[in-house]
Amino acid sequence: DGGITQSPKYLFRKEGQNVTLSCEQNLNHDAMYWYRQDPGQGLRLIYYSQIVNDFQKGDIAEGYSVSREKKESFPLTVTSAQKNPTAFYLCASSIGGGGAADTQYFGPGTRLTVL
Amino acid sequence: SQQGEEDPQALSIQEGENATMNCSYKTSINNLQWYRQNSGRGLVHLILIRSNEREKHSGRLRVTLDTSKKSSSLLITASRAADTASYFCANPNRGGSNYKLTFGKGTLLTVNP
Repeated sequence: DGGITQSPKYLFRKEGQNVTLSCEQNLNHDAMYWYRQDPGQGLRLIYYSQIVNDFQKGDIAEGYSVSREKKESFPLTVTSAQKNPTAFYLCASSIGGGGAADTQYFGPGTRLTVL
Repeated sequence: SQQGEEDPQALSIQEGENATMNCSYKTSINNLQWYRQNSGRGLVHLILIRSNEREKHSGRLRVTLDTSKKSSSLLITASRAADTASYFCANPNRGGSNYKLTFGKGTLLTVNP
């Protein structure tokens, strides 16, 4: 089956810890994205990558880091510098190619809670 | 900043009624997209309308686009309880040399059986 997966579904973190959220896609998409969603709010872009080994900061990149070493993988690390990390995190991918933004395909999300 | 803004924030209707949600944006676009999100799940793409299109249909969905007013509407006809979800509009904007989507805060639609 083709798709985009995220793990874990639920994640609990103690204050001061770094945690890494996994995002994998087998759609052969060039572009991948990470969003944060707070209750009753829309999506805010954290980081995005249009091609392997390249990524750009989104609107709220502070306290987060990413890597894009493989086309199918785009892990997000929530560092201890992120002061309010409790949120629902969504990963997405699209065909990409650098042209006008195309349809994005979303994973099921990871709910991160700081204890 | 968010460019797509949906209206209303919440909408509650009875099964069988039509539901209309609106979206306004600020800059010129080449397309506008609508997505759906069930509670606690990822988003699902519904429909994309290009800037040179005025109306587009997909099943029970009808999307209109008025570029002069910088607005779009999503109409769901003959609603069902399963249509209960949040609906988001999104429009592309440039992030450096690449495009990214900016999402609104969404309309929460509740369809009562």
